[in-house]
Amino acid sequence: DIQMTQSPASLSASLGQTVSIECLASAGISNNLAWYQQKPGKSPQLLIYGASRLQDGVPSRFSGSGSGTQYSLKISGMQPEDEGVYYCQQVYTYPLTFGSGTKLEIK
Amino acid sequence: EVQLVESGGGLVQPGRSLKLSCAASGFTFSDYYMAWVRQAPRKGLEWVATISTSGLTTYYPDSVRGRFTISRDNVKSSLYLQMNSLKSEDTATYYCTREVLSDYWGQGVMVTVSS
Repeated sequence: DIQMTQSPASLSASLGQTVSIECLASAGISNNLAWYQQKPGKSPQLLIYGASRLQDGVPSRFSGSGSGTQYSLKISGMQPEDEGVYYCQQVYTYPLTFGSGTKLEIK
Repeated sequence: EVQLVESGGGLVQPGRSLKLSCAASGFTFSDYYMAWVRQAPRKGLEWVATISTSGLTTYYPDSVRGRFTISRDNVKSSLYLQMNSLKSEDTATYYCTREVLSDYWGQGVMVTVSS
């Protein structure tokens, strides 16, 4: 199974600050990586797929990058509505696996 | 508008069975793989099952293989999850999702396994 190691576990950012979340796969996943945002009490929402492709309707301040085993999600200019938990997921091979999540809060 | 609406959750005793349903609308259901993802209380996300468009191919993690069965009815645009031999660790909110990379999610349905 491919393990997804996500860091940091939690993060506090000021409004307007740029933040990054990392995801390390235990084996190469050929950019088959998705990022999700989950707000309290809500279902997760797809932000990024294919490591860097923005899902329709997602603000352009979100971006994804990476290759091989290392991937990252960047938020360029933290907004209040960006608070929540972020998860990465590899969709390269079964079993599909998620990272453990990063809780992002406003400082 | 894509909509996924889960139902069938509730409180069930360990060792018993439960069947979840997901009613899909707003897209051509038969064109998409479908999946179930769960989230234990205050925990992260765990993929549970995926089914191909025809329903002939299914995938499961070791944690549920042999106990859970995913199925679909393309005529009714519905997805199902039959859960047998339930354990306390199966307690979670279960989400119905579209496609392998879960581009749409339902609101979730709570399953509590407890005596």
